[in-house]
Amino acid sequence: AQKITQTQPGMFVQEKEAVTLDCTYDTSDPSYGLFWYKQPSSGEMIFLIYQGSYDQQNATEGRYSLNFQKARKSANLVISASQLGDSAMYFCALGPYGNNRLAFGKGNQVVVIP
Amino acid sequence: DVKVTQSSRYLVKRTGEKVFLECVQDMDHENMFWYRQDPGLGLRLIYFSYDVKMKEKGDIPEGYSVSREKKERFSLILESASTNQTSMYLCASSWEETQYFGPGTRLLVL
Repeated sequence: AQKITQTQPGMFVQEKEAVTLDCTYDTSDPSYGLFWYKQPSSGEMIFLIYQGSYDQQNATEGRYSLNFQKARKSANLVISASQLGDSAMYFCALGPYGNNRLAFGKGNQVVVIP
Repeated sequence: DVKVTQSSRYLVKRTGEKVFLECVQDMDHENMFWYRQDPGLGLRLIYFSYDVKMKEKGDIPEGYSVSREKKERFSLILESASTNQTSMYLCASSWEETQYFGPGTRLLVL
């Protein structure tokens, strides 16, 4: 079974500052992928970044980076230079390689203030 | 760019009606998924499909069925809608590991 935990309360972030969203996971699969999605108030889930469990380097995608610590089973998302458009719910998800069934966390709410 | 579209953004139906939610993707993806999203419960997988005419149950299939007659289209069917099926429904498609989502359908069953 796979489990994703996102327990941070809603966050207010000053524009242009960095924010870190916590995600811990539990899985018995030897190889897996970790994903972060953004869901603005419009409802669409937007794919942000992916990290494979065997990737040696932390994934980066523009202003998004994933702080992957395999031994601690954590995959935190870092958003640098926050923008007003970053205000959204952020979901962490986990899935084993070769199997598209993802387990999603409950999400982190981020509000960016000017 | 991957594009996943859903037939309606908002839908209001009455209890007992048969409801069809349509999802279309334009990237020739093999895999398609239907989720529902409820406050405090996160996303839960209803059904998924790895190929045309192939379907597998997710975590909460009760009260739902699906149809995949063509690769690009995956339909979710509520045979007899009930008020506890009021929710946000999200469709996704994938080729390798990453799932790409449609805009979602907010369904209200009265």
